[in-house]
Amino acid sequence: DTGVSQDPRHKITKRGQNVTFRCDPISEHNRLYWYRQTLGQGPEFLTYFQNEAQLEKSRLLSDRFSAERPKGSFSTLEIQRTEQGDSAMYLCASSRERLGGDNEQFFGPGTRLTVL
Amino acid sequence: KQEVTQIPAALSVPEGENLVLNCSFTDSAIYNLQWFRQDPGKGLTSLLLIQSSQREQTSGRLNASLDKSSGRSTLYIAASQPGDSATYLCAVGSSNTGKLIFGQGTTLQVKP
Repeated sequence: DTGVSQDPRHKITKRGQNVTFRCDPISEHNRLYWYRQTLGQGPEFLTYFQNEAQLEKSRLLSDRFSAERPKGSFSTLEIQRTEQGDSAMYLCASSRERLGGDNEQFFGPGTRLTVL
Repeated sequence: KQEVTQIPAALSVPEGENLVLNCSFTDSAIYNLQWFRQDPGKGLTSLLLIQSSQREQTSGRLNASLDKSSGRSTLYIAASQPGDSATYLCAVGSSNTGKLIFGQGTTLQVKP
């Protein structure tokens, strides 16, 4: 059974550079979520896909952030012109939405971003 | 706007104690509630999920309860072990999208 995977696990970049993260959800999970977690805090919702459609974006997701889920499988999260405040753990989760289901979310190991 | 609070922020207990972690939320119109465990620098591991129609769920030494009317959930850990040391996060699921709103977590240390 393959869980949610994320790549890379760690990324160090200089301020102003662009970075892209990838998330591979559990197969057959049609919902995919991105969250961001800073030290000592709980994760905060960023965006959500149902299949390939991006259905909700948090106000935390500035115009420097873009997420895609082509073909409803893996997803990418890109941050353009990174700032030091973007340093955080970026977590991906997936779930299977079904009638009467519980929509339990399963999380990946996260990508730790450090912006110097 | 849904807000989730966890008390206490940190807890230290001797091995073998039974303990209760608390979670409260402001809007009772929830779809579900999940409890997670997070080890330092790692992702989240789902422990228990309670649907809005349920009152409790059990898995091994863990028992989670839900009282929607009072906006509260508790996670009970029986016979705590040093391996239980981690941060425990409570998250409330919305009805439309399933997105989770998290509390800040309770960091548990179980001393041998």
